Amino acid sequence: SQKIEQNSEALNIQEGKTATLTCNYTNYSPAYLQWYRQDPGRGPVFLLLIRENEKEKRKERLKVTFDTTLKQSLFHITASQPADSATYLCALDSGAGSYQLTFGKGTKLSVIP
Amino acid sequence: DVKVTQSSRYLVKRTGEKVFLECVQDMDHENMFWYRQDPGLGLRLIYFSYDVKMKEKGDIPEGYSVSREKKERFSLILESASTNQTSMYLCASSSLGQGRFYEQYFGPGTRLTVT
Repeated sequence: SQKIEQNSEALNIQEGKTATLTCNYTNYSPAYLQWYRQDPGRGPVFLLLIRENEKEKRKERLKVTFDTTLKQSLFHITASQPADSATYLCALDSGAGSYQLTFGKGTKLSVIP
Repeated sequence: DVKVTQSSRYLVKRTGEKVFLECVQDMDHENMFWYRQDPGLGLRLIYFSYDVKMKEKGDIPEGYSVSREKKERFSLILESASTNQTSMYLCASSSLGQGRFYEQYFGPGTRLTVT
């Protein structure tokens, strides 16, 4: 069956450092992968989408990589700030022609001043 | 800006009551989704719809039904609420875009408590 794993439930880092979050998947052949941010008591907010034929995507301090051979995506936040503290979710489409996204359980990032 | 609104932020209902959760989006999106989110279980898809009057079951449809009579509105119905349906309910919408759907836009969520 299809499975998505975000390796850490929680990650604590010092302000100014780079946070790296991992998303691994099995039994999928996604066309793209997405990352969302969720603050407590709120709905997720879309951050970045990376397609299967893209290796890397950047947006301001965010960088996402996508390795379809390793079946893994890495999500980096450089020069992290306390305001980056949130839960980050990865999500994959369920395959060609599917309207569904399947979400990982998320990694709760805490940036310590 | 895409806006997805949900009818209530907090809702308390009794066991056996019929519960309606409403979701409205203002960006003419074709696809709409209902999820529930529980600690340790993450986001799980209940139902989705890719067109008016069309619906498809997600991963956990049991105990729920949906209605989409207008493009902008997607309703989730709990026919007879039970305590195990206490959860955060999130609605989302997305655009079809080049034959594949893209990012989802979420509403603020409804925290439902069934007593």
